[in-house]
Amino acid sequence: DSGVTQTPKHLITATGQRVTLRCSPRSGDLSVYWYQQSLDQGLQFLIQYYNGEERAKGNILERFSAQQFPDLHSELNLSSLELGDSALYFCASSVRAGSIYGYTFGSGTRLTVV
Amino acid sequence: QKEVEQDPGPLSVPEGAIVSLNCTYSNSAFQYFMWYRQYSRKGPELLMYTYSSGNKEDGRFTAQVDKSSKYISLFIRDSQPSDSATYLCAMSASGTYKYIFGTGTRLKVLA
Repeated sequence: DSGVTQTPKHLITATGQRVTLRCSPRSGDLSVYWYQQSLDQGLQFLIQYYNGEERAKGNILERFSAQQFPDLHSELNLSSLELGDSALYFCASSVRAGSIYGYTFGSGTRLTVV
Repeated sequence: QKEVEQDPGPLSVPEGAIVSLNCTYSNSAFQYFMWYRQYSRKGPELLMYTYSSGNKEDGRFTAQVDKSSKYISLFIRDSQPSDSATYLCAMSASGTYKYIFGTGTRLKVLA
């Protein structure tokens, strides 16, 4: 157990729907990162939060949004889902905003859009 | 051209072999380099991190960075079947908050 908790582990939903993925960072970590992993694209950085504030944005679609709450857990909201959104979504955390020591990843949420 | 290139494999080796995994990159600003191991259906797990050029050793693992060639390597000595996984390189420039990952190399160590 890495200490980063992601729920749910699996999610199957229909096109056009909206889902929320949840992440609890490792104890003491203030920064949360969201990544999308698909077979052909590898791990793609989506967005980062540090202590409740957005710090960096990557290739995140406008249909996707995220936030980090005062208790430091984070949620990734995916709306108007398309078949191509099917992927593994990982959350990672680190103590500082820019960690030179890497991140700790959760086990991911596998999203299947049908 | 992707910023970070990694051969997807699969790479199959016999148990006990020395494994060499590599990544090339195009952004000369990258200074922080990492290797992650990812087992099937699990999250990536940090193996090693290095800063700038040089070598770093940790048990059976050695990470090398050659900034002049924009090339990094991970060597695994005395490979074991339990090393069978996907290995991802990741790198970052100073002052940025995100790591760019390679697509991963799938390694199979045969008993």
